[in-house]
Amino acid sequence: AQKVTQAQTEISVVEKEDVTLDCVYETRDTTYYLFWYKQPPSGELVFLIRRNSFDEQNEISGRYSWNFQKSTSSFNFTITASQVVDSAVYFCALSLTGTYKYIFGTGTRLKVLA
Amino acid sequence: DTEVTQTPKHLVMGMTNKKSLKCEQHMGHRAMYWYKQKAKKPPELMFVYSYEKLSINESVPSRFSPECPNSSLLNLHLHALQPEDSALYLCASSQESDTSRPHYGYTFGSGTRLTVV
Repeated sequence: AQKVTQAQTEISVVEKEDVTLDCVYETRDTTYYLFWYKQPPSGELVFLIRRNSFDEQNEISGRYSWNFQKSTSSFNFTITASQVVDSAVYFCALSLTGTYKYIFGTGTRLKVLA
Repeated sequence: DTEVTQTPKHLVMGMTNKKSLKCEQHMGHRAMYWYKQKAKKPPELMFVYSYEKLSINESVPSRFSPECPNSSLLNLHLHALQPEDSALYLCASSQESDTSRPHYGYTFGSGTRLTVV
């Protein structure tokens, strides 16, 4: 069975703190894709990153970084020096070859306080 | 243009009304999707169109009727909805419609917040 677990329902941090959002996935497929999306209060889901199962390189984009570890089936997301504008719900998602469907985690609501 | 545009942004309708949601993209994407998102839940897939043809219907009740008039436009026709259908309806598109190929991710619209009274 395929599953994505985001165990943190809600996280509150003070501006400028670093914060890590956890994502653990389950699949028996060897080819799959992992994504992170941000959903601000305005509603749209904003694409942040895509990783395929053969690329375990960590990635950094500005204040954002992602740590993909197949050994622990995790794809964690870190925001460095958080800002109020980072406040949103963040979804981790799994997509398998041969299907259009995303398997979304339940999301983590991040509140960054000024 | 790297956007998916949805109209209206908000809609309140009675249970006997007929209304339509509209979604438009001009990125040349070949697949378009309707998702439903209830409060504090992840989005749930409803329909997939690939090359303007309906590929997937996730057992959605017939009171929701999708339509893809052309490669840029996707509609969702609503009729005789129930209060429990109140949700955020998200449209998305993706460059690749062949599920055997790498999936580059969706571009989502900002959604229509639907309230059924």
